Amino acid sequence: AQSVTQLGSHVSVSEGALVLLRCNYSSSVPPYLFWYVQYPNQGLQLLLKYTSAATLVKGINGFEAEFKKSETSFHLTKPSAHMSDAAEYFCAVSDRGGADGLTFGKGTHLIIQP
Amino acid sequence: DVKVTQSSRYLVKRTGEKVFLECVQDMDHENMFWYRQDPGLGLRLIYFSYDVKMKEKGDIPEGYSVSREKKERFSLILESASTNQTSMYLCASFTSVLSSYNSPLHFGNGTRLTVT
Repeated sequence: AQSVTQLGSHVSVSEGALVLLRCNYSSSVPPYLFWYVQYPNQGLQLLLKYTSAATLVKGINGFEAEFKKSETSFHLTKPSAHMSDAAEYFCAVSDRGGADGLTFGKGTHLIIQP
Repeated sequence: DVKVTQSSRYLVKRTGEKVFLECVQDMDHENMFWYRQDPGLGLRLIYFSYDVKMKEKGDIPEGYSVSREKKERFSLILESASTNQTSMYLCASFTSVLSSYNSPLHFGNGTRLTVT
């Protein structure tokens, strides 16, 4: 069965600092991997997705993620944090692109310190 | 833009009540999903549907049922609500049409249900 593990339920960074949110996956087949963001009182919004076309994936709002098969990782980064990045971030995996739904990690709450 | 609409943002129900959570999407998507979201547990899949009148159990279907009589509408039913079903419920839709195979799940804004 596929699964994802997000390391750190809370991550705190200073405004302007590098953001690094960690995600490791487990899948028996080449996975589809996703990062979603959830702002307070809203649903989830897609940040980016990996579908084997390129290992470095660029998403919205300056975020990007790198697929590393050898490390079974798909960490999310942003070079310079902004106050508006404060939100909950979810990593998710699917072996069918999403047709059977996605398996989500437990989420990482990103806190931006002024 | 895909829109997934959940009819209620907040609901308060009593233990034992029958509860209906409604979700409508406007993009003719084949697949629809119900998740519940709890702090520290992430999102967990309750039920999903490939098509009208089709339903499949997700990871935590116990205590829930679903109905999909029309393609655009997917209802989650709590036959007899219990306090451990207090949660945020998120509906999502997805198309598996080949040209949109890599499209993401589109989520509604959620219904926060409190069972007292």
